[in-house]
Amino acid sequence: EVQLVQSGAEVKKPGESLRISCKASGYSFTNYWIGWVRQMPGKGLEWMAIIYPGDSDTRYNPSFQGQVTISVDKSISTAYLQWSSLKASDTAIYFCAKIMSAGWYGAPFDFWGQGTLVAVSS
Amino acid sequence: EIVLTQSPGTLSLSPGERATLSCRASHILSNPYIAWYQQKPGQAPSLLIYDASNRPTGIPDRFSGSGSGTDFTLTISRLEPEDSAVYYCHQFGSSPPGTFGQGTKVEIK
Repeated sequence: EVQLVQSGAEVKKPGESLRISCKASGYSFTNYWIGWVRQMPGKGLEWMAIIYPGDSDTRYNPSFQGQVTISVDKSISTAYLQWSSLKASDTAIYFCAKIMSAGWYGAPFDFWGQGTLVAVSS
Repeated sequence: EIVLTQSPGTLSLSPGERATLSCRASHILSNPYIAWYQQKPGQAPSLLIYDASNRPTGIPDRFSGSGSGTDFTLTISRLEPEDSAVYYCHQFGSSPPGTFGQGTKVEIK
């Protein structure tokens, strides 16, 4: 059974750094792209970035390029989303999601994590 | 970047009725790289339709997708109370990033 289990909610102050995680199981982690999707309070879904765990190849939405960093640790089948300096506008729920087709990013997200709430406030 | 515009914003229908949700792309999609997701309050989205018209295993056949070019449709043939949710379309063409529509909220009276 495919599962994506994300780390717990975070409350941070502006300017602080943060890394959230997404642990995958039930499939070959290195063979499928995995990505992150943002959902701001009461709003829709935004495609942020994806990474191929096999070789750490990445693709970013230009709107998020330079604002976040996506990475993986293949040894523990875990993907990460990282901020070096949080802003209040980063307050949102962040979902990780697995892309359906092996080795190819031109496919939908077929499995999703439960979401991680990040709240940034002074 | 391809922009997806969904309509209507909200659909309020009774159980057993048919729901028709629209997703229009700003550019012609040469391939039917459109997916539809259902998101219930407090939950992650879940995949309903991919490649415009294919249902993943386990999705009821009252959900169907169609369309090509710039116009795509999700149809729920016989609404059930548990279909109350927000529905998003998503284009995942060959050049990332993918984009999502802004969502259509389906309310069951």
